[in-house]
Amino acid sequence: QVQLQESGPGLVKPSETLSLTCTVSGGSINNYYWNWIRQPPGKGLEWIGYIYYSGSTNYNPSLKSRVTISVDTSKNQFSLNLSSVTAADMAVYYCARQGGYNFPFEYWGQGTLVTVSS
Amino acid sequence: QSALTQPASVSGSPGQSITISCSGTSSDVGSYNVVSWYQHHPGKAPKLMIYEGSKRPSGISNRFSGSKSGNTASLTISGLQAEDEADYYCCSYAGSSNWVFGGGTKLTVL
Repeated sequence: QVQLQESGPGLVKPSETLSLTCTVSGGSINNYYWNWIRQPPGKGLEWIGYIYYSGSTNYNPSLKSRVTISVDTSKNQFSLNLSSVTAADMAVYYCARQGGYNFPFEYWGQGTLVTVSS
Repeated sequence: QSALTQPASVSGSPGQSITISCSGTSSDVGSYNVVSWYQHHPGKAPKLMIYEGSKRPSGISNRFSGSKSGNTASLTISGLQAEDEADYYCCSYAGSSNWVFGGGTKLTVL
């Protein structure tokens, strides 16, 4: 059974960079698309972007200038960096797997809350 | 891309049927047959319930069904059960490898 687990600091200061890692277990990171999705408090889900195991990426246009997603196939992990964070970036961040770029998000992590505060 | 529009809440009694709508545009829901629905119990991982508009993943009850007409997709849950109480989100492909979600609907089983 594929499992995803997000990890990283739960508190980030305004203007700094949010960094999270998703560790994949129970399956290989190869041949899949790996996504980051977030949910601000009281709001709906927002797709942030994906990385293919080979390293190609695509980002939500509204976040593209601040987002970098990377992959480490040797560790079965992929990561999210979101720069210049503000209070609007406070959210539960989820990682999720797709079988193809237009496939559904079939496996998700449980999410990790990131608070933006000085 | 703007978020898809869902009702904030719906409710129903055990055994009844409910439908949750998901309104998009001709740039997302209307153009692609790639709408999916997710069930989310707070604190847990969201769960895929419907994909490609109307298909159910293995293990998902046939009480859950999906459909689409024009720019609007719908999720119907029949024979409501207490464990169906959760938040439900629709999601559509929006072209250029981008995705858009709905704002979510809180389902209350009375």
